[in-house]
Amino acid sequence: SQTIHQWPATLVQPVGSPLSLECTVEGTSNPNLYWYRQAAGRGLQLLFYSVGIGQISSEVPQNLSASRPQDRQFILSSKKLLLSDSGFYLCAFGTGDRSPLHFGNGTRLTVT
Amino acid sequence: QQQVKQSPQSLIVQKGGISIINCAYENTAFDYFPWYQQFPGKGPALLIAIRPDVSEKKEGRFTISFNKSAKQFSLHIMDSQPGDSATYFCAASKRNDYKLSFGAGTTVTVRA
Repeated sequence: SQTIHQWPATLVQPVGSPLSLECTVEGTSNPNLYWYRQAAGRGLQLLFYSVGIGQISSEVPQNLSASRPQDRQFILSSKKLLLSDSGFYLCAFGTGDRSPLHFGNGTRLTVT
Repeated sequence: QQQVKQSPQSLIVQKGGISIINCAYENTAFDYFPWYQQFPGKGPALLIAIRPDVSEKKEGRFTISFNKSAKQFSLHIMDSQPGDSATYFCAASKRNDYKLSFGAGTTVTVRA
């Protein structure tokens, strides 16, 4: 079966520190991969998506970057975190256009 | 700009009542309309989805109604239960588009 793993579940980082969040997918090949951010009580903001290895589309210019080093691995990074980077980060995968997205359980990031 | 407008932002319903969430869209190319349910601290999970060739789809106590001419679709939760308390997101997608356009979300609280 198709599953998605995202870690860590929670993270507290000081301002100016680097960030690396990882997401892996099992049970499917060449998935479309997504990073979303959700502020407290708010909607889903698409940050990055990828339809293949090495291909990254950025939706919102900001302090973050994404990489896809392997087919089923998606990494969200930052060189220097800002307070405004705090939020709930969600990784998701899909298997084609007009198909459902499957979300991970998210990472709660608090930048102090 | 938000391509899918969702209302209300929040609603409270008594146990056994009906919860109704409405969404509207402008892009007539959209042809896939999923709904997601999100519990606190978790990622959204697909609840039910509809394509515009049907006007209604029912799965258990959850029903999607779709009005193509009005470019509107809605989620009805019948016999609402406290376990239905969650945030619900509508979304839309179109052919060859690997992104979902999400509504802003509706927080449903079911009082016992």
